[in-house]
Amino acid sequence: GENVEQHPSTLSVQEGDSAVIKCTYSDSASNYFPWYKQELGKRPQLIIDIRSNVGEKKDQRIAVTLNKTAKHFSLHITETQPEDSAVYFCAASRSGAGSYQLTFGKGTKLSVIP
Amino acid sequence: NAGVTQTPKFQVLKTGQSMTLQCAQDMNHNSMYWYRQDPGMGLRLIYYSASEGTTDKGEVPNGYNVSRLNKREFSLRLESAAPSQTSVYFCASSEYGGADNTEAFFGQGTRLTVV
Repeated sequence: GENVEQHPSTLSVQEGDSAVIKCTYSDSASNYFPWYKQELGKRPQLIIDIRSNVGEKKDQRIAVTLNKTAKHFSLHITETQPEDSAVYFCAASRSGAGSYQLTFGKGTKLSVIP
Repeated sequence: NAGVTQTPKFQVLKTGQSMTLQCAQDMNHNSMYWYRQDPGMGLRLIYYSASEGTTDKGEVPNGYNVSRLNKREFSLRLESAAPSQTSVYFCASSEYGGADNTEAFFGQGTRLTVV
């Protein structure tokens, strides 16, 4: 099955700096890569996703890059703000049997220091 | 439009007791999922249902059973709870296919403690 590795497990940055979280995946057939943000005690919520036919995607201060050859993808957050503090999860999935099955990384706890 | 709703939000069980976690979605999604979240382990898939009438095992199915009651509802049952099943359980749903319809929407979670 798919295996997703995520690094680092914790990350502290000064407000205004950039944060980068990296993930690798094992299944070359995976074709969908979402990123979820989970605030303390809350449910995971999608912040950005990318598909295997795209190399990079941006949404305001958030960007995701994908390298299919190396089987890794990264989340970039620029101009970090205290409200960016949360746990971030990457995930990978492949389509099949009518369902996208997500395999998650173990998460990165991001702390933005004011 | 409530999205994905789980009940209960909190539960304490004694070892050996049984219980059912309920999940309902109002987004007309075909696929539904049950995940468990443990500290430092991320979210792990227990069972999923690609469509009404089908269910399949995920990564950690042992000790659990599921029922896809209809398109809206997907329940998770613990027949004989064990302390190792202490966790936060999340139900999720998504729509298969299409360029914009694969986001998984999560419920608010059920915090289960087995003593």
